[in-house]
Amino acid sequence: DAKTTQPNSMESNEEEPVHLPCNHSTISGTDYIHWYRQLPSQGPEYVIHGLTSNVNNRMASLAIAEDRKSSTLILHRATLRDAAVYYCILPNNNDMRFGAGTRLTVKP
Amino acid sequence: KAGVTQTPRYLIKTRGQQVTLSCSPISGHRSVSWYQQTPGQGLQFLFEYFSETQRNKGNFPGRFSGRQFSNSRSEMNVSTLELGDSALYLCASSLAGGIFYGYTFGSGTRLTVV
Repeated sequence: DAKTTQPNSMESNEEEPVHLPCNHSTISGTDYIHWYRQLPSQGPEYVIHGLTSNVNNRMASLAIAEDRKSSTLILHRATLRDAAVYYCILPNNNDMRFGAGTRLTVKP
Repeated sequence: KAGVTQTPRYLIKTRGQQVTLSCSPISGHRSVSWYQQTPGQGLQFLFEYFSETQRNKGNFPGRFSGRQFSNSRSEMNVSTLELGDSALYLCASSLAGGIFYGYTFGSGTRLTVV
């Protein structure tokens, strides 16, 4: 099974862009790349997902490397409400295999 | 539209008892998954149901079971509760499968076993 590697924690300043990296060097050609986040005392929240091409939605952008061995979640302007644990996931049979994620701290 | 609703929000049970948790998915969603979240193990997949059939299962003992009804509502049951079953239990729903559509999670049921 393909696995993901993320930094344990990152810090950002409010209103600045944030780039959250994820390595998945053993990804297969059919693995989707999903990102979820979990705010304190809440269930996980879907952020974005993609297969090969870069993706944009109202929450974030997902940049996928050409070889697909890494990806980056981009928050264009971080707010204090973006402080959360961000999970990069390669699902297996609809099992969202959550790892430890990256804890993002946003400083005012 | 209404989100994923889990009931009850909080529950306290005694070791050896059994418990049933309920999940109402978003209207039109046919896939329902369950997860257990603990500080030590993080989020772990329990099982997924689609059209009343269990489609996938995680690595949990047989004490953990679930079912899905024809209206897509789902229940999970834990029998012979152990202290280690204390956790936040999360339900997530999707149109047809999380891989293609992503999942919407509920706020969870906090189970405490004493």
